[in-house]
Amino acid sequence: NAGVTQTPKFQVLKTGQSMTLQCAQDMNHNSMYWYRQDPGMGLRLIYYSASEGTTDKGEVPNGYNVSRLNKREFSLRLESAAPSQTSVYFCASSRGARAVQETQYFGPGTRLLVL
Amino acid sequence: SQELEQSPQSLIVQEGKNLTINCTSSKTLYGLYWYKQKYGEGLIFLMMLQKGGEEKSHEKITAKLDEKKQQSSLHITASQPSHAGIYLCGAEGNAGGISYGKLTFGQGTILTVHP
Repeated sequence: NAGVTQTPKFQVLKTGQSMTLQCAQDMNHNSMYWYRQDPGMGLRLIYYSASEGTTDKGEVPNGYNVSRLNKREFSLRLESAAPSQTSVYFCASSRGARAVQETQYFGPGTRLLVL
Repeated sequence: SQELEQSPQSLIVQEGKNLTINCTSSKTLYGLYWYKQKYGEGLIFLMMLQKGGEEKSHEKITAKLDEKKQQSSLHITASQPSHAGIYLCGAEGNAGGISYGKLTFGQGTILTVHP
């Protein structure tokens, strides 16, 4: 039981390049989330998926797209990376989809540097 | 939107000392989560509080939610180097309706414990 896994762990991109961050969970959770963490700003929600087949924007969605591939996997894509997207990206999941006050479980993060 | 303010932003203590981290909300809290993060790693769930006046403990860490449900505190007794890390509070965005577990996070408190 691995929980939430993310790949890659580290990535360096040049401005304008694209990449996809992968996330998978093995807890049979319905809801999945992508956050970015920047110094002094805590975590900010980029996109979330309340259940398989649905995705919605969070607080900072610009420059990102997501795909809920199936119940287990939720990917985050940067189509044209910018230096402002240098950050640590976390994926999380929770039992969801219609319950409030549910614990989210986080992956180990992906450190992205955009030059 | 919900905003969470954590204080202090950083804290340095000697091993064995007690400490408190606060999390204050601009709105009523309907689900308050405490997470711990070690550098370069994901977030580890500590505790979740829902009811006004609620208090939960795990080992040497106690979290409380005040009666008015706008402030939570995290207290560590007899701190150890293993307690070092970043502590983040997160809260549900709204009480009514369905929030799908979308969390707003505080900016984090960096705790250093000197042996």
